[in-house]
Amino acid sequence: EVQLVESGGGLVQPGSSLKLSCVASGFTFSSYNMHWIRQAPKKGLEWIALIYYDSSNKYYADSVKGRFTISRDNSKNTLYLEMNSLRSEDTAMYYCARGKGDYWGQGVMVTVSS
Amino acid sequence: DIQMTQSPSSMSASLGDRVTITCRASQDIGNYLSWFQQKPGKSPRRMIYGATNLAAGVPSRFSGSRSGSDYSLTISSLESEDMAIYYCLQSIQYPYTFGAGTKLELK
Repeated sequence: EVQLVESGGGLVQPGSSLKLSCVASGFTFSSYNMHWIRQAPKKGLEWIALIYYDSSNKYYADSVKGRFTISRDNSKNTLYLEMNSLRSEDTAMYYCARGKGDYWGQGVMVTVSS
Repeated sequence: DIQMTQSPSSMSASLGDRVTITCRASQDIGNYLSWFQQKPGKSPRRMIYGATNLAAGVPSRFSGSRSGSDYSLTISSLESEDMAIYYCLQSIQYPYTFGAGTKLELK
């Protein structure tokens, strides 16, 4: 069974950093591109980052470019999102998703507030 | 960036109704269009990919179509379990972009 489990969220102050993890199981993680997608409270979905299966390419939304870094460790079947210089507008549920969006994690909440 | 204009933003319909939701792309996206369903408190679920392909496990009352730059998700006969928010997503160009969503409610 394919599973994606996010962790690492929480309440942080503006300007701080946080690193999210997404542990994959039930499939060959190293064969799939992976995404991070977020959803602010009561808002729509926002795609924020993609990493190729072999980390050769990474793409970001303008809203997070230069502040967020997507990475992966295929030996640990884990996807990461390092978030720096967090702002109140980064408050959202963060989801990881596989390849063409066929599997999503349950999401992890990040709240940026003083 | 490619803009995805989704309509309507909300709608109410009766059980058994035929329902259609539309997304218009600001640039050519070919068939790089997916539809997702999201129920309250749940993660999104892929319903349609490649504009017209039914995702695994999705009931056959759901279908996707394309007419030029307009993409549609149709539910042929609405059931109570279909009440949700639906989003389109273009995946031909980075950044990927979602439509704003359509909230489908029971009349």
